[in-house]
Amino acid sequence: EIVLTQSPATLSLSPGERATLSCRASQSVSSYLAWYQQKPGQAPRLLIYDVSNTATGVPARFSGSGSGTDFTLTISSLEPEDFAVYYCQQRADWPTFGGGTKVEIK
Amino acid sequence: QVQLVESGGGVVQPGRSLRLSCTASGFTFNNYGMHWVRQAPGKGLEWVAVIWNDGSNKYYSDPVKGRFTISRDNSKNTVYLQMNSLRAEDTAVYYCARDIAAPRPTYFFGPWGQGTLVTVSS
Repeated sequence: EIVLTQSPATLSLSPGERATLSCRASQSVSSYLAWYQQKPGQAPRLLIYDVSNTATGVPARFSGSGSGTDFTLTISSLEPEDFAVYYCQQRADWPTFGGGTKVEIK
Repeated sequence: QVQLVESGGGVVQPGRSLRLSCTASGFTFNNYGMHWVRQAPGKGLEWVAVIWNDGSNKYYSDPVKGRFTISRDNSKNTVYLQMNSLRAEDTAVYYCARDIAAPRPTYFFGPWGQGTLVTVSS
């Protein structure tokens, strides 16, 4: 099983600031990595797939990068609706998710 | 627009069975692989099972293999998850999710349903 480790567990930022979230895989997942956003009481929403492809309807302030074992989700300027939990997920092997990063209002 | 609606959750005793349903609309159902993903209370996400668009292939995560069965009825735009021999650790919100591509699944999860809560408790 490929283990995904997300850091930090919690990110405290203000609206307008840049958010940088990290996801590290226990072995290479090539480019088979996605990012999801989940708000309280809601289902997850796909943001990014194959490292850097933005899903339909996702604002341009969300971007992904990385390869192999180290990946980053960047939110260029936080909007109030972006405060949520973010999960990375790999499909190089049977799908697994990271433990999540909570982006909270500072 | 794409809509996925789960049903069938509830409280069930350990060792008993439950069947979840997920009815889809807004897309050509028989083109897409469908997944179940679960989330224990206050915890992260765990992939459970996938069924290919034509039902020809089904795969399961190790914790549910041999106990859960995924199936689909393309005439009813519905995917099912039959859960047998339920355990306390199966307690979770169960989401159905459509794969992002057709017909062969990518194992990335596009539209999700709102989820249905399954509680396994005596």
